[in-house]
Amino acid sequence: AQSVTQLGSHVSVSEGALVLLRCNYSSSVPPYLFWYVQYPNQGLQLLLKYTSAATLVKGINGFEAEFKKSETSFHLTKPSAHMSDAAEYFCAVSEGKLIFGTGTRLQVFP
Amino acid sequence: NAGVTQTPKFQVLKTGQSMTLQCAQDMNHEYMSWYRQDPGMGLRLIHYSVGAGITDQGEVPNGYNVSRSTTEDFPLRLLSAAPSQTSVYFCASSPRFREAEAFFGQGTRLTVV
Repeated sequence: AQSVTQLGSHVSVSEGALVLLRCNYSSSVPPYLFWYVQYPNQGLQLLLKYTSAATLVKGINGFEAEFKKSETSFHLTKPSAHMSDAAEYFCAVSEGKLIFGTGTRLQVFP
Repeated sequence: NAGVTQTPKFQVLKTGQSMTLQCAQDMNHEYMSWYRQDPGMGLRLIHYSVGAGITDQGEVPNGYNVSRSTTEDFPLRLLSAAPSQTSVYFCASSPRFREAEAFFGQGTRLTVV
């Protein structure tokens, strides 16, 4: 069965600093990987997805993620954090149904 | 564009009561699923469906039933509510492809006392 592991349940950065949220996957077949964001009291929305077309994937709000097969990783980055980025972020792998990681809560300090 | 609609948004139940969480989508998606979200545990899959008349269990199915009589609707039934079922429940739908994006409802916050 496929799975994802998110390292760090909480990440805190200053506004303008680099954001790095870590995700490692386990899959016996080429994976389809996703990052979703959840703002307080809302549902999840898609940030970006990897479907093997390109290893560097750009998403909404300036986020991007790089698929590294050798490291089984799909880390999410943003060069400069904004206060509005404060949310919970979930990495997921698709078997048709989505299997989620445990999430990382991002705090952004002024 | 309604997308995925969940009702109710909030619910308080007493232990032992039953209820149905409603989920409807208007995108003609084949896949529908139910997740529960608990602090520190991410989203865990309860049940899912790949089309009308077809359902299957996810990671945490005990205490929940589902049915899929139409493409649009995928209700989740709590048979006899327990405090351990206090959680936020999300319904999602997607086209039937591994690479397809899932669309989520706004969630139902359930408290069992």
